[in-house]
Amino acid sequence: GDSVTQTEGQVTVSESKSLIINCTYSATSIGYPNLFWYVRYPGEGLQLLLKVITAGQKGSSRGFEATYNKEATSFHLQKASVQESDSAVYYCALRPMNYNQGKLIFGQGTKLSIKP
Amino acid sequence: DAAVTQKPRYLIKMKGQEAEMKCIPEKGHTAVFWYQQKQSKELKFLIYFQNQQPLDQIDMVKERFSAVCPSSSLCSLGIRTCEAEDSALYLCSSSWTGQDTQYFGPGTRLLVL
Repeated sequence: GDSVTQTEGQVTVSESKSLIINCTYSATSIGYPNLFWYVRYPGEGLQLLLKVITAGQKGSSRGFEATYNKEATSFHLQKASVQESDSAVYYCALRPMNYNQGKLIFGQGTKLSIKP
Repeated sequence: DAAVTQKPRYLIKMKGQEAEMKCIPEKGHTAVFWYQQKQSKELKFLIYFQNQQPLDQIDMVKERFSAVCPSSSLCSLGIRTCEAEDSALYLCSSSWTGQDTQYFGPGTRLLVL
């Protein structure tokens, strides 16, 4: 079945340094899935950070960006310069393109901690 | 901002008891989803409603859960007989259709003793 893998459970980055959170996926449904990054800030609910529905495209939001790489089946999240306010848990997710399927399939999440 | 409401926020049940949690979708949204998240791991899809009809669900839900959307403004997820393994955060999300962005509620945290 479809799956999403985030290899790092926790990442610590110094403030103003660059960040990459890895995400790879496996999709068995016909067509290319939609890809998402969701974020949960401390004490808050899960919210959409960015999404890309077309293979090869890039999505961006709040200084973060991710490129839908269908050849590598990856959707890594990157930011050039992190801030303390970026501390959160980041979830990569896909939505299969099967008929009657709107469900999201999530990775295990990566907790980002920022060192001052 | 979208506002999906979930009640109660916390629920404690003894093993063998019944549990029920509710979700109020964002106004106008026709798709409602339930997910289960254990110990800050991945969110696991449980069931998907479109216009109050269940369109997709996993076997565990068919066997042990009861999920309904009696109106477009209220859905509920129940566990007929709670087990320790049901302890988790239950998240509800809604969207305009099944293919649109899902907005999540704060969740109901269930503890089964």
